[in-house]
Amino acid sequence: EVQLQESGPGLVKPSQSLSLTCSVTGYSITSNYWGWIRKFPGNKMEWMGYISYSGSTSYNPSLKSRISITRDTSKNQFFLQLNSVTTEDTATYYCARMDFTIAAIWFAYWGQGTLVTVSS
Amino acid sequence: DTVLTQSPALAVSPGERVTISCRASESVSTLMHWYQQKPGQQPTLLIYLASNLESGVPARFSGSGSGTDFTLTIDPVEADDTATYYCQQSWNDPFTFGSGTKLEIK
Repeated sequence: EVQLQESGPGLVKPSQSLSLTCSVTGYSITSNYWGWIRKFPGNKMEWMGYISYSGSTSYNPSLKSRISITRDTSKNQFFLQLNSVTTEDTATYYCARMDFTIAAIWFAYWGQGTLVTVSS
Repeated sequence: DTVLTQSPALAVSPGERVTISCRASESVSTLMHWYQQKPGQQPTLLIYLASNLESGVPARFSGSGSGTDFTLTIDPVEADDTATYYCQQSWNDPFTFGSGTKLEIK
């Protein structure tokens, strides 16, 4: 059974970078797509981006200048880096396995989520 | 971006039928998916591609719709269905989520 677990600092200072790791067990990240989603206080959810089985990436245009998603296939992990954070980046961050057909993609399995607070 | 509009909250009694709606600001074909999030837990996939039941999800859940109007139906509702339900589209870039419908079981 696939399991995903987010990890990283729970507190980040404004203007710094937010870095999170998603550790995957039970499934290889060289298959499927792997995404990051965040949920803000007040429940709004935002898709941030994904990395594919081949290592290609796609990002939400609203974040394109600040976001990077990378991976380490030897450790079966993928990573989120978000630069120049502000208090508006305070959210619960989820990683997810994305299932797909030839023309569609969706979030099939989610990690437990990790709360990141941006504050000085 | 494609805006997905959901009613904020619903309250129903166990055994009843409930429909949760999601309206898109532009067509998303049938690329609409539904998630359930219980308090303190991560979201789980219920329905993908508008009407396909995810493996392991009770048959009490069903989805329908295409274009701009979509519905998630729970029939009959059980007490354990207390949760927030989100729709999400993957037809238009970027992928977007609805604001969620909080379901209360009376």
